Amino acid sequence: EPEVTQTPSHQVTQMGQEVILRCVPISNHLYFYWYRQILGQKVEFLVSFYNNEISEKSEIFDDQFSVERPDGSNFTLKIRSTKLEDSAMYFCASSKGTGYYEQYFGPGTRLTVT
Amino acid sequence: RKEVEQDPGPFNVPEGATVAFNCTYSNSASQSFFWYRQDCRKEPKLLMSVYSSGNEDGRFTAQLNRASQYISLLIRDSKLSDSATYLCVVADNYGQNFVFGPGTRLSVLP
Repeated sequence: EPEVTQTPSHQVTQMGQEVILRCVPISNHLYFYWYRQILGQKVEFLVSFYNNEISEKSEIFDDQFSVERPDGSNFTLKIRSTKLEDSAMYFCASSKGTGYYEQYFGPGTRLTVT
Repeated sequence: RKEVEQDPGPFNVPEGATVAFNCTYSNSASQSFFWYRQDCRKEPKLLMSVYSSGNEDGRFTAQLNRASQYISLLIRDSKLSDSATYLCVVADNYGQNFVFGPGTRLSVLP
């Protein structure tokens, strides 16, 4: 069964450093997403991406964040200058379409900012 | 702010019990609804979509009441493996932005 994969599983970085989180969505999916979950809190939407551009983003997704699909398989989330409060689990998801289509989530990258 | 609310939990039930989860959402324009489960420190996994007519998948039954903006999930004959956090998810009218509820944790006890 196809699945979303993410690397690395755990990333530790110092405050102010740039990090890139990587995802490989399910191959025939067209919509890609990033969510985050701070420990003990709910899952929060960050951004959706379709046809090589951002289609929707939340207020969390400020200028420190960017997304890219550098090739036909990878989907990345970059945080330019990490803050302590960026420490969270970051989940990538993908779907065939929008509306009634389910989103399938990757195993997540745990980001720890020290 | 558009929100999704769920029973705070946790629910601790014996094996074989029937357990019901409730969820309300505030955005009346919401179009699609899902239940996901999340094991500790793992990703959300789709349990089932929720349709207006209600739907059943084995021991799991989901209901949607659009007028009341209410969604429910019923688990019958609960198993130890059902222990997880159950997440109510509502998608807006474009279906891209999934809004997650805070989740209700279920522990099924032997």
